[in-house]
Order: sequence, then structure tokens, then C-alpha cells
Amino acid sequence: TQLLEQSPQFLSIQEGENLTVYCNSSSVFSSLQWYRQEPGEGPVLLVTVVTGGEVKKLKRLTFQFGDARKDSSLHITAAQPGDTGLYLCAGAKVGAGSYQLTFGKGTKLSVIP
Amino acid sequence: GAVVSQHPSRVICKSGTSVKIECRSLDFQATTMFWYRQFPKQSLMLMATSNEGSKATYEQGVEKDKFLINHASLTLSTLTVTSAHPEDSSFYICSARTNTDTQYFGPGTRLTVL
Repeated sequence: TQLLEQSPQFLSIQEGENLTVYCNSSSVFSSLQWYRQEPGEGPVLLVTVVTGGEVKKLKRLTFQFGDARKDSSLHITAAQPGDTGLYLCAGAKVGAGSYQLTFGKGTKLSVIP
Repeated sequence: GAVVSQHPSRVICKSGTSVKIECRSLDFQATTMFWYRQFPKQSLMLMATSNEGSKATYEQGVEKDKFLINHASLTLSTLTVTSAHPEDSSFYICSARTNTDTQYFGPGTRLTVL
């Protein structure tokens, strides 16, 4: 079973601060996805990164896929209360006739106004 | 992005009854759909993989006779919780895999068994 370590598990910061969430694994992934989930709702896809070293930006969010495709980070600049939620990373491993998506345990982010 | 719907969003039932939850991919065809269960303040726990036209693959510890999955078409999978008990109360979420191996999630179904 692949393990995807996500850290920190909880994060409470003041509005305007920056933060980084990490996902690390000893396994190589075909792609890595980041989701945000709000209470009582399903996870919403934020981004998919596929290429080692890839960097994607989504407004104040910057996603990076490690060169070896084993780890990823999510950096939020000038956090806003609307960024509050559960952030989940998920690594996909695709093989001949097989597909597996492994989730991290999530980072619960609270941005205090 | 792709859209996945789930119905119902909330259901309350009596112990011993069965409940069916539908998952639909609205704007794409999904040969593979997934059913997850989520406990409060925890990440998603994969229950089973639903393959169109074939039997579902269940994760270890998930009772296939209790959680019946049917993937009748490329856009619809259903999960039936049979003889529900209070311990089955949970948040059930489905997802659908696109042809680019991305999963899109439904909004979830909150099941409460009295």
C-alpha cells in the first residue's frame, strides 16, 4: 500500500499570512491532484500536476510537483478566510489495466479574519 | 471541470431499511466510479471501485452484501446500503474517473440511520 504523508494536519493562521502544505511519498506517481473540501460537501478539484518539476498557479495558490514525482506542495499567499477548508492531496498511479488513487490524510486550514 | 452529481444529498431512514444513493457523471462518460465513506474530521476512505458492466471491487473490510454497487451505464453508479444500522450513518461520496485519470467528486450524501 502506498503511503502519502500530508503535513501539517492542522493549520490555523491569521488573514494575510502565507502557508505551505506538503505531501510526501516514497512512491512515484503518474500524477498528483489537490482538492479542497468544505464541511458537508464533496472535494473540489483544484489542480492536477503531471510532469516532474511542474509548477501551476491558481490565483494565490501555487502547486509544485517534485522532480521525482514523489512529492508535492501547495503554497497559499496572503491567505483569506475563504481559503478555510480541508485540503487533500491524492497521488494517482496508473499501470497496464490498473489505476489507484491514494489520498493524504488532509490538512485542515483555518484562516482567522 | 467535469460535473458529478449525487442524489439524495441527505437521507434519514429507520434501522433495517435499505437506502439507494445515485452517482451520475453529467458531462462525461466514466467507465470507473468510486465510492468513499468519510467520517467526521477524517480523510476519504475508499469503499469500492465500480466498473461499468462488471462487478465492483471492494476494499478489505467492506461487506459487499451490505453495500451493493451497480454500475449500469457509463454515467450512473448506485450504492445501496442494505439493512442499514446506526453505525452505517456517515457521509458517502462518489467520484468518477475521466479519460485523463482525474477523479471528480460528487457533493456527497449524508446518511443518518435512526
